[in-house]
Amino acid sequence: AQSVAQPEDQVNVAEGNPLTVKCTYSVSGNPYLFWYVQYPNRGLQFLLKYITGDNLVKGSYGFEAEFNKSQTSFHLKKPSALVSDSALYFCAVSSPGVTGGGNKLTFGTGTQLKVEL
Amino acid sequence: DAGITQSPRHKVTETGTPVTLRCHQTENHRYMYWYRQDPGHGLRLIHYSYGVKDTDKGEVSDGYSVSRSKTEDFLLTLESATSSQTSVYFCAISDPPETENTGELFFGEGSRLTVL
Repeated sequence: AQSVAQPEDQVNVAEGNPLTVKCTYSVSGNPYLFWYVQYPNRGLQFLLKYITGDNLVKGSYGFEAEFNKSQTSFHLKKPSALVSDSALYFCAVSSPGVTGGGNKLTFGTGTQLKVEL
Repeated sequence: DAGITQSPRHKVTETGTPVTLRCHQTENHRYMYWYRQDPGHGLRLIHYSYGVKDTDKGEVSDGYSVSRSKTEDFLLTLESATSSQTSVYFCAISDPPETENTGELFFGEGSRLTVL
């Protein structure tokens, strides 16, 4: 079985400061890792993913994430937060070795990011 | 947003009644999914489809059935709704997993269902 843990329900950060949203995962085989963002009353939007290659992946809106195999983590980061980044962020994992493959995502419970002036 | 339309967007129903939610896409994607979103649980996969008449169960499929008679439509049916099925339901679409877009799902706006 595959699973994702997002240990923080909410992260607060001041605008202009760096932000980190944490994610750890568990999966049999090679992990595919994803971050999605959800704005109020909307569906989720894809931000970035790690499939293979460079451990640091860059995505939309200046976000990046680092895959750490030894710590089974995939933390989301941004060097300078904006108020408009305030949203609900979901980490997700899949694996090519399971039925449904890379598209069968298991999501974490989400982390609410609040960026304040 | 990708061309995904969910209907109805809001529904209130009573325990024991059947409910059908519809997802319609104009993107010609082969894969379609139904998720439910609940506080403290994130999103959980109910059923998915990898082609017309080809469907499979997700992690929370009990009490739900699906049908896909054509590429653009994926229906989710609650045969006899229960209060535990009160949730926000999201449809998603994607390319097949063996493509470079693996894991990149496009989500609809959601359907909020309340079962009294």
